[in-house]
Amino acid sequence: SYVLTQPPSVSVAPGQTARITCGGNNIGSKSVHWYQQKPGQAPVLVVYDDSDRPSGIPERFSGSNSGNTATLTISRVEAGDEADFYCQVWDSSSDHVVFGGGTKLTVL
Amino acid sequence: EVQLVESGGGLIQPGASLRLSCAASGFTVSSNYMSWVRQAPGKGLEWVSVIYSGGRTYYADSVKGRFTISRDNSKNTLYLQMNSLRAEDTAVYYCARALSRLSFDYWGQGTLVTVSS
Repeated sequence: SYVLTQPPSVSVAPGQTARITCGGNNIGSKSVHWYQQKPGQAPVLVVYDDSDRPSGIPERFSGSNSGNTATLTISRVEAGDEADFYCQVWDSSSDHVVFGGGTKLTVL
Repeated sequence: EVQLVESGGGLIQPGASLRLSCAASGFTVSSNYMSWVRQAPGKGLEWVSVIYSGGRTYYADSVKGRFTISRDNSKNTLYLQMNSLRAEDTAVYYCARALSRLSFDYWGQGTLVTVSS
């Protein structure tokens, strides 16, 4: 089965740029989606299809995907961005949805 | 406005059955891909099942043969029938609407299922 690997944690100071990676075999050939989840809340889609943003999501959130790594980039990080972030793909070979293990973003 | 409201969770004994419901408004369930995603306490997201607009269904290996996803078009509601429940099925269960490449753009608030004796 397809596996997505994320770092357990990323820390960044306010105003700096956070980069959260998602590794998978030839992930560049798949569409990658990213979710933000704050404690006690449902996940929120922040990037879909590698780099598109749903309406209402700030431009500070961007995504890229190439080779074996997809990356969610959060520019000018704010205290309110602190949350767990998950990457996700659809594995067409198995018709299974796969989530990464999640990354806890801490704003110092 | 799109809304998803789950119900049916609770405390249930191992081996028992439970049916979760997800009432949708603001869009038509049968015209969309719909999915269930769960999250065990303190853990990450785990995909459970999907039903395509055409009716095809797929399941995670961990629930295949025990869980069944379905929908009632007249009620615009998604269901998850869970049989032979195990302690490891304890989680918050979310229903979600999926876009064409299976990104989930709308989520419900979740319903907690606790499997314990």
